[in-house]
Order: sequence, then structure tokens, then C-alpha cells
Amino acid sequence: DTGVSQNPRHKITKRGQNVTFRCDPISEHNRLYWYRQTLGQGPEFLTYFQNEAQLEKSRLLSDRFSAERPKGSFSTLEIQRTEQGDSAMYLCASSSGTSNYGYTFGSGTRLTVV
Amino acid sequence: AQSVTQLDSQVPVFEEAPVELRCNYSSSVSVYLFWYVQYPNQGLQLLLKYLSGSTLVKGINGFEAEFNKSQTSFHLRKPSVHISDTAEYFCAVSDRTNDYKLSFGAGTTVTVRA
Repeated sequence: DTGVSQNPRHKITKRGQNVTFRCDPISEHNRLYWYRQTLGQGPEFLTYFQNEAQLEKSRLLSDRFSAERPKGSFSTLEIQRTEQGDSAMYLCASSSGTSNYGYTFGSGTRLTVV
Repeated sequence: AQSVTQLDSQVPVFEEAPVELRCNYSSSVSVYLFWYVQYPNQGLQLLLKYLSGSTLVKGINGFEAEFNKSQTSFHLRKPSVHISDTAEYFCAVSDRTNDYKLSFGAGTTVTVRA
């Protein structure tokens, strides 16, 4: 098992473009989480899935953001019409059941909107 | 809703000296507590966690933390730091009111100098 994998590691895009990030969780983990981290801040919760069902979306997630987890395996996070304020590190994590098992985080995707 | 406050944003420390990182939390119910470490351009790695039982928790890399319910604290300590401990450290909390999703503090940057 190679842990949680995120692609791409870095993405530079022009304002107004759409971007999509991918997360491959640990195969036996049924929960998958997306967090956003800006400079000097801790990770902020965006959304999470249990298998293929999206259980919650944070108020931080505007209508320009959408996440999917088809078939309960990998997940994608899409941002439409990117803005400079979307520049951040996007972290994916997976877990088996509740967080008392601990999350396993990927290395993140750093998005820069210019 | 739960929240986490990390009382020190930056902690400079000399090599082989002890270090303590302070974390306070608020929650109306029983909590699980975690410390994560983040090295530059990487994801978060679990250092240790408190679920129940002994209030002194030992983790990886020689770190330990003590849960103090009366003071709602979960401070992280290491008796002797190495240059390689230079990183950002995040305290996190979860409880049943939020389906055990992790909420993170703003982080403490530890810089170890020779």
C-alpha cells in the first residue's frame, strides 16, 4: 500500500480557468476528506465522503467547487472559474471509519492562481 | 462545535533543548485529540493521539503529550530536539457532535537551531 496519493503536486492556472485535482485513498479506507490549507493556517475542512456518498460540504465550499467519489474509490475536486483567493494547498485524507483510527493524509496539491 | 487554540505561532529552540507546544480545546462533549507534524511541501503525519485511558500519550520521534481535562489542554513535549524536528505542528480535535471530523488549530512553527 502506497498511502494516499494526490495529483498533481503543483498546479499553476490563470484566473477564470477550471482545475481538477485527484485523490487516491488507501484502498480499504471507506472515508475520504478534502481540506484546504492557506499559508500560516491549519487545514480547514471542505467536504467528506463515506464510500461514494458525500456526507457534508463546508460553507467554505462555494458553488464553484464540486467533489465526487464515483464507486467509492478515488475522488476528484474541481474548481470552476478559479479566483486568486483559491490559491492554497488542497489536502486529501482517508480513514477507516471515524477519526479515532487517525487520518492518513496525502502530500497535497498546491494551487496557484495567477 | 469544537475548536482548537494553539497558543504559540512560532517556537525557536536550540538543538538538544526541550520543547513544549501548547494546545487548548473547547468542546461540550468528550473529545479525541491529535498532534500532527507537517514538513515543508508535504502532507500531515500523525505524531500521537489521545482517545481514552492514560492521560500521558507517547508518540513517534520521542514526542509525548498530556491530556488535562480540567484545563482542556493537550500540550506536546519533547525532552531533546534535533534539527530534523524543524517543522509545523498542528493540534486537532474531534468529537461525536461533528461525526468525528478533525478540526485543526492554526499551527506552531518549530525552528531548531544548532
